[in-house]
Amino acid sequence: DSGVTQTPKHLITATGQRVTLRCSPRSGDLSVYWYQQSLDQGLQFLIQYYNGEERAKGNILERFSAQQFPDLHSELNLSSLELGDSALYFCASSVSRLGDLGNTIYFGEGSWLTVV
Amino acid sequence: AQKVTQAQTEISVVEKEDVTLDCVYETRDTTYYLFWYKQPPSGELVFLIRRNSFDEQNEISGRYSWNFQKSTSSFNFTITASQVVDSAVYFCALTSRNTGGFKTIFGAGTRLFVKA
Repeated sequence: DSGVTQTPKHLITATGQRVTLRCSPRSGDLSVYWYQQSLDQGLQFLIQYYNGEERAKGNILERFSAQQFPDLHSELNLSSLELGDSALYFCASSVSRLGDLGNTIYFGEGSWLTVV
Repeated sequence: AQKVTQAQTEISVVEKEDVTLDCVYETRDTTYYLFWYKQPPSGELVFLIRRNSFDEQNEISGRYSWNFQKSTSSFNFTITASQVVDSAVYFCALTSRNTGGFKTIFGAGTRLFVKA
């Protein structure tokens, strides 16, 4: 158990809908990262938050947004869903911002999203 | 442009063999970080190692070792005396700073089969 909790574990929704994925980082971790893994695109980094602020942005679509709350949990909002958004969405956390040597990144088990 | 190439799509070895997974990267940044992740059949992602661009020391952790060579832009991963439990997909990733902060890209992954 990595200590990173993601909910829901599985989600099936229709095209055009909106969903929210939730992530609780490990206790004490200030950074939260979101990744998408799909058959088409492989593994992609979406976005990183550190202590409530956006720190890095990857291949995140405009239809997607994320935030990190004062209690450090994070939510990834996916809207106007398309079939191609079907993927496994991982959340990860680490103690500090990228750039600190030696810190470990811990992953949640992922949220499986199926868009039908 | 940043790029991570894992040329080996699949590798199959017999238990106790040594195996090296190749990773070649491209970046114009002088400060960057390289990662290896493991994704076993159960699907979770496991962080294995991070190396920054200023530290070319090789790393050994048990049966795992990593060889970082800036001259060839490679960050190869060797498993010594492989075991069936090493069967997984292994991803190499590169994180470097660009406009808007750090960005991470992943290789396509190498699927390792270790047969008993």
